[in-house]
Amino acid sequence: NAGVTQTPKFQVLKTGQSMTLQCAQDMNHEYMSWYRQDPGMGLRLIHYSVGAGITDQGEVPNGYNVSRSTTEDFPLRLLSAAPSQTSVYFCASSYSSFRWDRNYGYTFGSGTRLTVV
Amino acid sequence: QQQVKQSPQSLIVQKGGIPIINCAYENTAFDYFPWYQQFPGKGPALLIAIRPDVSEKKEGRFTISFNKSAKQFSLHIMDSQPGDSATYFCAASGTGTASKLTFGTGTRLQVTL
Repeated sequence: NAGVTQTPKFQVLKTGQSMTLQCAQDMNHEYMSWYRQDPGMGLRLIHYSVGAGITDQGEVPNGYNVSRSTTEDFPLRLLSAAPSQTSVYFCASSYSSFRWDRNYGYTFGSGTRLTVV
Repeated sequence: QQQVKQSPQSLIVQKGGIPIINCAYENTAFDYFPWYQQFPGKGPALLIAIRPDVSEKKEGRFTISFNKSAKQFSLHIMDSQPGDSATYFCAASGTGTASKLTFGTGTRLQVTL
């Protein structure tokens, strides 16, 4: 059981370049989300999905795009990278319906450290 | 808008001490309050969670205290160990379908020998 797998682990981009951060989960979780982590800012929600074909914006969506064609995969696209997007990005998944008799908590990937120069 | 406020930003305690991390929330619709632990270079991992009809929950050396009227909750780590050195995040959400977690800004804990 691999959990949530993110690739790549590290990436350096030049301003204006585009790229896709990959996220895959094998727990059959309906809910998937992308967060960015910056010093002193905690974890801020970028985009999320409640199931295949359904996505919505989070707190900081500008400059990012997502799609959810399968239950397992939820890629995050940077359209035109900017230095302000330098951050650590985390993908997370969970069950969509809450029950105390199962592990409801988010499962996070190990993160992608992105630097935009 | 910071819906979950966490303090302190950093904390240093000696081995065996009891660090306490506090969080306050604003949204009265929140009814699920988890804590996450993050080690350097890793993603956050669920540590313990509480619901608002319970005032305290213990799991091993970790205890959540919850005060619904004050809209505050806190994490206590009993007999802290150097291996507990990590960043801790509180969070809150509703329990409706696909409710989104809102995280605090994190507390970096260092447990010294």
